[in-house]
Amino acid sequence: KAGVTQTPRYLIKTRGQQVTLSCSPISGHRSVSWYQQTPGQGLQFLFEYFSETQRNKGNFPGRFSGRQFSNSRSEMNVSTLELGDSALYLCASSLVGTKETQYFGPGTRLLVL
Amino acid sequence: SQQGEEDPQALSIQEGENATMNCSYKTSINNLQWYRQNSGRGLVHLILIRSNEREKHSGRLRVTLDTSKKSSSLLITASRAADTASYFCFIQAGETSGSRLTFGEGTQLTVNP
Repeated sequence: KAGVTQTPRYLIKTRGQQVTLSCSPISGHRSVSWYQQTPGQGLQFLFEYFSETQRNKGNFPGRFSGRQFSNSRSEMNVSTLELGDSALYLCASSLVGTKETQYFGPGTRLLVL
Repeated sequence: SQQGEEDPQALSIQEGENATMNCSYKTSINNLQWYRQNSGRGLVHLILIRSNEREKHSGRLRVTLDTSKKSSSLLITASRAADTASYFCFIQAGETSGSRLTFGEGTQLTVNP
């Protein structure tokens, strides 16, 4: 099976812009989770989607949003970008949720100037 | 949140030696998972240990879980240069809906050839 794919791999944006990142889970996986990784804050959970519904949400402002489509592909959107949003954004998929093994994609590295 | 905290933050050893890293957490868990991350890439799942298990093995990896002390340890035996990576513990607590999912800050392991 193909692994988790994320697009784009690298992205440069300026403050105030918005960005949409995409994640395609492993075939058959219904759960997609998003994480933000920064040198100062480590790995932080953003949200989890399961069968097109947001099931869990981390402690991030409303500028961070996501959705999941019927084919389990997921997108996350960040509006009004700030310098502090520069990070590696990781997507993970699993069969039924984060109680089980998560399979991570390579990440999207976002740089906000 | 039930953030896991790994220690040490950094560990440097010689090839062939054993490496032990620890993870502590603050509340009851469903399971605890260990992941490895190579140089800013996606995470790779190593082992999942459930709350009713005390020890699991996978190749050169051995994970223990002490729920009374709310801690887990990951032992890598006969380390290799390729084991150089950051290691994270992932705490999964609560029911699927509304649970909080967190990674620790990670232990940076360097194995010198």
